[in-house]
Amino acid sequence: QKEVEQNSGPLSVPEGAIASLNCTYSDRGSQSFFWYRQYSGKSPELIMFIYSNGDKEDGRFTAQLNKASQYVSLLIRDSQPSDSATYLCAVTPLGRFGAGTRLTVKP
Amino acid sequence: NAGVTQTPKFQVLKTGQSMTLQCAQDMNHNSMYWYRQDPGMGLRLIYYSASEGTTDKGEVPNGYNVSRLNKREFSLRLESAAPSQTSVYFCASSELRGGQPQHFGDGTRLSIL
Repeated sequence: QKEVEQNSGPLSVPEGAIASLNCTYSDRGSQSFFWYRQYSGKSPELIMFIYSNGDKEDGRFTAQLNKASQYVSLLIRDSQPSDSATYLCAVTPLGRFGAGTRLTVKP
Repeated sequence: NAGVTQTPKFQVLKTGQSMTLQCAQDMNHNSMYWYRQDPGMGLRLIYYSASEGTTDKGEVPNGYNVSRLNKREFSLRLESAAPSQTSVYFCASSELRGGQPQHFGDGTRLSIL
């Protein structure tokens, strides 16, 4: 079982819709959860991080954490074509990344 | 305002050759990391350094060595390159709680023939 799992996609949503990206993890001791965006051929960029159960909002992005169910999700509201990228989930222990979900936002 | 700078950006090596990938950050971060990224594998941690003078193995350290020269610089060395080390290598730095990387360099695309 992989330590951090993401649906590889591709996930396709129409422009203006909500994109929902999910990540599950196996280590119940994980304390910190991170979402990165990676455009094709570029390096990852940190979007947001969450430490506590519940929701954390930052602009059009919302991270949701449920430690009891061992999942963390990223919602992107009002999706734009510029949001088309691969989204990577990372959790502690240090350095554990999922393989990423490729998102396509269609105009 | 460079952030994390990696050199070189591209490199082709022959099997058995050695080389050092350079990384420097100008954000005064304590933590620095080296990752490799292969298709379908996501990012895998090779080595990290929590502070100047300390280094620790990550998920895939075999075949690599690192040096944290000072707070700014963290280099990755391949002593005897193998085709399996063909990958994109990213350096990163961070000051975040939880220790995950905060800023990445542009990457080094390395091919071993």
